[in-house]
Amino acid sequence: ETGVTQSPTHLIKTRGQQVTLRCSSQSGHNTVSWYQQALGQGPQFIFQYYREEENGRGNFPPRFSGLQFPNYSSELNVNALELDDSALYLCASSWGTGTETQYFGPGTRLLVL
Amino acid sequence: QQQVKQSPQSLIVQKGGISIINCAYENTAFDYFPWYQQFPGKGPALLIAIRPDVSEKKEGRFTISFNKSAKQFSLHIMDSQPGDSATYFCAASSLDGTGRRALTFGSGTRLQVQP
Repeated sequence: ETGVTQSPTHLIKTRGQQVTLRCSSQSGHNTVSWYQQALGQGPQFIFQYYREEENGRGNFPPRFSGLQFPNYSSELNVNALELDDSALYLCASSWGTGTETQYFGPGTRLLVL
Repeated sequence: QQQVKQSPQSLIVQKGGISIINCAYENTAFDYFPWYQQFPGKGPALLIAIRPDVSEKKEGRFTISFNKSAKQFSLHIMDSQPGDSATYFCAASSLDGTGRRALTFGSGTRLQVQP
């Protein structure tokens, strides 16, 4: 059984650019949730994907968008990057949208200059 | 609005001592309360979790105490070891109207266990 994997591990972008982060869910999991963790803070829920559709969103603007593919892997896209987007982006996978336990990947560290 | 408040922000404990981290929540709909452990450069890993129908859950050296009426819960780490040095997050979740469950995290406690 493989765990949650994310790529890339680190990324540096400049303000105004666009970025795509990738996540492969744990084997057998069909739901992916994305979280943003600012330095020194707890993760904040961005959105969840289930059956290739967005299934709920936290308090994040539309320039944060995502995709889920038939193999349940997922992408997080952020347009028009702002300095405050610098954070660790975590994805978590689970079986089903209401499952209590979510398994996190190691995250992608994004730095916006 | 922060729905889960965590304290202290940082904690230094001697090896063999007891580490205690506290959390308070506001949303009475929360029905699942996990604790996550995060090492530098890693994602959060589930440590232990509790549901509000029990007041205490113990797994090895880790214990969650839950006070439903006070809307508070805490993590106790007995016989703390240097390898326990990490950041600990409490979290809470509930099912919304669409059957979706998302985690709401506290701000984290950085634990340092001195040898």
